Amino acid sequence: RKEVEQDPGPFNVPEGATVAFNCTYSNSASQSFFWYRQDCRKEPKLLMSVYSSGNEDGRFTAQLNRASQYISLLIRDSKLSDSATYLCVVTSAFYGNNRLAFGKGNQVVVIP
Amino acid sequence: NAGVTQTPKFQVLKTGQSMTLQCAQDMNHNSMYWYRQDPGMGLRLIYYSASEGTTDKGEVPNGYNVSRLNKREFSLRLESAAPSQTSVYFCASRRTGEYTQYFGPGTRLTVL
Repeated sequence: RKEVEQDPGPFNVPEGATVAFNCTYSNSASQSFFWYRQDCRKEPKLLMSVYSSGNEDGRFTAQLNRASQYISLLIRDSKLSDSATYLCVVTSAFYGNNRLAFGKGNQVVVIP
Repeated sequence: NAGVTQTPKFQVLKTGQSMTLQCAQDMNHNSMYWYRQDPGMGLRLIYYSASEGTTDKGEVPNGYNVSRLNKREFSLRLESAAPSQTSVYFCASRRTGEYTQYFGPGTRLTVL
């Protein structure tokens, strides 16, 4: 079983709409959780960390559900510039949380 | 602050040729990583170095060697390139005590 599972999409979103997606992780001992953003042909960049209480950064809201082992990302009022692949990332408990395990990413396409 | 830099940006090799991918970071990070990213596969760890003088295998180390030359530099060597090594290679670094990894811009390698 993969350590992190994501539905790759694509998620086609009208400009101004809200889009949300989840990822699941397999090891309950994973300690830290992140969403990274990767633009086409660019490197991944940290979008936000995900905390147990949930957290917001502008139009982006991240949630963590430890009981069900999933992480979510919600983007409100989508902009054309939000088109990217969003990678769900968790610390890999199989390796003492010193490595990161990456999902394959959710591809978001914002349509004018 | 340049962050994480990688050279070259692009490379085309013939099967059996060798080459070294260079990575350097100026953030005084202890840990450094080499990943490869293939379509539909997500990011996979090749090798990592928890500190200067140490290296460890990741998920897909076969066909690669690494050198942690000093705290700043971590190189990846392909001794005898194969078409299966056609990929985008990312270097990343991390500060001790934090989980966030910072990525370089990547090297696009094609092996013919």
